[in-house]
Amino acid sequence: AQRVTQPEKLLSVFKGAPVELKCNYSYSGSPELFWYVQYSRQRLQLLLRHISRESIKGFTADLNKGETSFHLKKPFAQEEDSAMYYCALSSITGTASKLTFGTGTRLQVTL
Amino acid sequence: NAGVTQTPKFRVLKTGQSMTLLCAQDMNHEYMYWYRQDPGMGLRLIHYSVGEGTTAKGEVPDGYNVSRLKKQNFLLGLESAAPSQTSVYFCASSRIGKSEAFFGQGTRLTVV
Repeated sequence: AQRVTQPEKLLSVFKGAPVELKCNYSYSGSPELFWYVQYSRQRLQLLLRHISRESIKGFTADLNKGETSFHLKKPFAQEEDSAMYYCALSSITGTASKLTFGTGTRLQVTL
Repeated sequence: NAGVTQTPKFRVLKTGQSMTLLCAQDMNHEYMYWYRQDPGMGLRLIHYSVGEGTTAKGEVPDGYNVSRLKKQNFLLGLESAAPSQTSVYFCASSRIGKSEAFFGQGTRLTVV
């Protein structure tokens, strides 16, 4: 069975400091991984997906199959980055595709 | 384009009462999902559907039932609400296969 682990419940950094939100996964097949973000009182929205290999709002994430990780990084944190971040894995079971989420990490950016 | 819309946004139930949460999407997505979000536990899949007329159990299905009579709607029912079902419920939809999920705004349910 697939599993997504986000070891940190809360990550507090100063504005301008680098950010790394950790995500590890276990899955026997070929994974497709995502980062979702939830700003205060808003719905979850997609931030990144590993196959697109793009940078969104300064965030990047690289899939490391050897370490089964998909950490989210940003070189310089901004106040508006404060939010809840979820790592998710999309898996195929039979004909169904479903998303499995980690427990989330709250990023708090302070002045 | 409304995307995914959940009704209601808030609800307070007494233990033992029943209710139905409605999710509607206008993106012609095949897949729909119901998740619950609890502090420290992230999002856990309750039930999902891969198409009209089909449903399947997720990680935490007990105490819930679902129906997908129309492609655009996915209903989540609580037959006899319990305080343990106090949570924020999110509906999501996606195209077939490994693709991005679009979420509703959530329903905050309190069972007293």
